[in-house]
Amino acid sequence: DAKTTQPPSMDCAEGRAANLPCNHSTISGNEYVYWYRQIHSQGPQYIIHGLKNNETNEMASLIITEDRKSSTLILPHATLRDTAVYYCIVRVENSGYALNFGKGTSLLVTP
Amino acid sequence: NAGVMQNPRHLVRRRGQEARLRCSPMKGHSHVYWYRQLPEEGLKFMVYLQKENIIDESGMPKERFSAEFPKEGPSILRIQQVVRGDSAAYFCASSAIQDGEQYFGPGTRLTVT
Repeated sequence: DAKTTQPPSMDCAEGRAANLPCNHSTISGNEYVYWYRQIHSQGPQYIIHGLKNNETNEMASLIITEDRKSSTLILPHATLRDTAVYYCIVRVENSGYALNFGKGTSLLVTP
Repeated sequence: NAGVMQNPRHLVRRRGQEARLRCSPMKGHSHVYWYRQLPEEGLKFMVYLQKENIIDESGMPKERFSAEFPKEGPSILRIQQVVRGDSAAYFCASSAIQDGEQYFGPGTRLTVT
């Protein structure tokens, strides 16, 4: 699976959009981009995933660049409960299993 | 619809004892994954199981650790003769299909004294 690079930490004001970047310059054509988050000491929570088209669900939007070398997770109206570590993971579909969690981005949402 | 359930949530064992961690996947899920998170580190994959089969145990330590997912009942992660370095949070996840989204349980925090 391709390696991902994320900033170690970010701040965001409550009510603002949080834009979390991820670089995956070695991504290959059959690799998906997944986002998970881990709120302090809890189990990771699936957020969203995509291949090349932008995706949106009730939690977030995922914007993938045309060359697929980077992506951005957008939380449109961040709340204090969105404070968590966010993980960008690249994974081949049909590879079965292991999610390779790196260090992620620690997002702090402030009042 | 209950999520992934893990018990116990906290487990304390003395060095040399055995630890058994249980995971009940979400209803309808037949794929189970175990991950370990050492203090101040990210999650590391340990093992992937389907009912009655171990599909990939490449992340499992070669000794003292074993996992099963029987036809009936929860998946079990067993650690024999625990050592202090086994102290960690152990998370279980399940999915409906092989490469589907993985849904995680709340974890079991193992402390070895």
